[in-house]
Amino acid sequence: NAGVTQTPKFRVLKTGQSMTLLCAQDMNHEYMYWYRQDPGMGLRLIHYSVGEGTTAKGEVPDGYNVSRLKKQNFLLGLESAAPSQTSVYFCASSRGQGISFFGQGTRLTVV
Amino acid sequence: GQNIDQPTEMTATEGAIVQINCTYQTSGFNGLFWYQQHAGEAPTFLSYNVLDGLEEKGRFSSFLSRSKGYSYLLLKELQMKDSASYLCAVRDPNNAGNMLTFGGGTRLMVKP
Repeated sequence: NAGVTQTPKFRVLKTGQSMTLLCAQDMNHEYMYWYRQDPGMGLRLIHYSVGEGTTAKGEVPDGYNVSRLKKQNFLLGLESAAPSQTSVYFCASSRGQGISFFGQGTRLTVV
Repeated sequence: GQNIDQPTEMTATEGAIVQINCTYQTSGFNGLFWYQQHAGEAPTFLSYNVLDGLEEKGRFSSFLSRSKGYSYLLLKELQMKDSASYLCAVRDPNNAGNMLTFGGGTRLMVKP
């Protein structure tokens, strides 16, 4: 009964390094999302996907790229990390535009 | 643009009732969600309103007035485990493909 699984859970990066965050869901959901959560700012949508092979920009897409090669996976990439990308990242999925189910989050620190 | 406002923090006593308000200004409206998020954990779904009125689910109820751009979450018989952040989110068909926009969240502290 995994639901939405994110890896890794924690990561520290140096400025300029790259990394990929992996999100996997086992609910056969069409829609998947990446959010970042910063104190006092709520959840902000980075990128989203409405199906395998499709991606679209959200509210704060700059500095991030995504890919949805398989329906169950949604990858978030940081090509050149910056301190401003220090945040908690949440992946979510939904059946259509219904209730979103969230992963446990990835706490990323860029030094 | 999108604007969703909630109080930043609230404090209430165990056993009491608390109302958490959410006001929104969006170009369109296609439903309002409430999520609960315990510290360090993922948000989990609480309730959904798309029509005006009250939706009741056990100790939790949510109210919506579309004409006023207003919703509230009502928590009854508060328990210590209700200490968490409560997130209001609006689905706007004119925003990024009908995606959710979240408010900043209300951190509720329940005291004995």
